[in-house]
Amino acid sequence: QKEVEQDPGPLSVPEGAIVSLNCTYSNSAFQYFMWYRQYSRKGPELLMYTYSSGNKEDGRFTAQVDKSSKYISLFIRDSQPSDSATYLCAMSAMGFKTIFGAGTRLFVKA
Amino acid sequence: EAGVAQSPRYKIIEKRQSVAFWCNPISGHATLYWYQQILGQGPKLLIQFQNNGVVDDSQLPKDRFSAERLKGVDSTLKIQPAKLEDSAVYLCASSLVPSSTDTQYFGPGTRLTVL
Repeated sequence: QKEVEQDPGPLSVPEGAIVSLNCTYSNSAFQYFMWYRQYSRKGPELLMYTYSSGNKEDGRFTAQVDKSSKYISLFIRDSQPSDSATYLCAMSAMGFKTIFGAGTRLFVKA
Repeated sequence: EAGVAQSPRYKIIEKRQSVAFWCNPISGHATLYWYQQILGQGPKLLIQFQNNGVVDDSQLPKDRFSAERLKGVDSTLKIQPAKLEDSAVYLCASSLVPSSTDTQYFGPGTRLTVL
C-alpha cells in the first residue's frame, strides 16, 4: 500500500464548476498537509498548507483535513481555465521527509 | 526575489553515459532538496542538504547517483552510469530552514531522457 494515494484523473470540468480533489494516506503520524499546483513543464508551487485536522480557506481554495479518516481534500470554487494544472497533495511530520501523491490532472474548459 | 535556478532544462543521453545537473537555490536558503519525478508520479526525495551537510539520502541509489553542495550554496547531482529507468524530471527545491513546515520552493526541473 502506498503511503499516499491520489487519483491521477484526468478531471475535466466546465469553467465555474466546483472542483474536489482528494488524497488518502496510511501513516497516522502525518501532521502537515499541503497542496501543490504544478503547471506543465514547471516545478510544483505551494498552494495551501494545513496543520492537523480542520479547514483552511484562501480565496477560491479550501483545504480540508480529516485525520480520523486519513483523508484530505482541496476544493476549488468558480474554477477558471488558468486553474488547469496537476494538483499534488503532500504530507509530512516532524523529522519526516515530505511524501507526495501522484497528482491529479485538472482541465477547466472555457 | 529570484527563484530556484536549474540547468540544463532538457538532456538526452544514451544508457551507460553520465550526466550532471546543476541547481542554484534561493539566496539565503540553507536547505536544498533533489527530487526525482517520474512521469505520472509525484516527486520522490533523493537527497536533502542542510548547508553543505547531508540530512537524508536514504532514497538515493548510491551505486550510480551522487550529489554535492559545495560551500552550502549551489549543488550538482550526477548519474553515472545512467539506466533507462532514470528517465524523469529532476527537481531541485530549497527552503529557509529544514523544518517539515517550511515552504519548499521548486525550480523548473531538468527533464532527462535516457535512450
